[in-house]
Amino acid sequence: EPEVTQTPSHQVTQMGQEVILRCVPISNHLYFYWYRQILGQKVEFLVSFYNNEISEKSEIFDDQFSVERPDGSNFTLKIRSTKLEDSAMYFCASSERRQGNSPLHFGNGTRLTVT
Amino acid sequence: QQPVQSPQAVILREGEDAVINCSSSKALYSVHWYRQKHGEAPVFLMILLKGGEQKGHDKISASFNEKKQQSSLYLTASQLSYSGTYFCGTENSGGGADGLTFGKGTHLIIQP
Repeated sequence: EPEVTQTPSHQVTQMGQEVILRCVPISNHLYFYWYRQILGQKVEFLVSFYNNEISEKSEIFDDQFSVERPDGSNFTLKIRSTKLEDSAMYFCASSERRQGNSPLHFGNGTRLTVT
Repeated sequence: QQPVQSPQAVILREGEDAVINCSSSKALYSVHWYRQKHGEAPVFLMILLKGGEQKGHDKISASFNEKKQQSSLYLTASQLSYSGTYFCGTENSGGGADGLTFGKGTHLIIQP
């Protein structure tokens, strides 16, 4: 069964550094998302991406964050000038249709640790 | 606004039933249910789109009362594999591209 893949599985970075989290969504999916989950807490929506542009973003997704689909397969989340509170599990997800009526397929996540 | 899930945690013996509730203060377009095991990604269980809709998947089913803005997940004759954290994710009426808003989760522990 096709799956969403994320790399790296674990990223450790120093405060103030930039990180790029990478995702390969399921190939025939059109909608892509980033969510994050602080340890032991709920899953929080960051951003949705469709037709090569951001379609929706949450309050969390401020100027520190950006997303890109640099080629036909990868979907990246860039976090500039990381802060301690950015430490979390970041999940990429994709869906065939907009997520209201289509299942989200999550990747296994990237655990980001900011020291 | 995030949906409210209840209970926060449930401990059951194998074979017992459980109900997990999810309610919203805003009108809902859809409700998703996901299960997450420790250290893993959330896994899709089901989507409910219409008022009064009920769906089933093996021994897991769910209902969606659009009028009451709530959904319930029913797990019958629970198995050890049902252990995990269950999240409901809601999308508000009006569609668009709103991201899902997840509840805080319900921790389900199934004991042999």
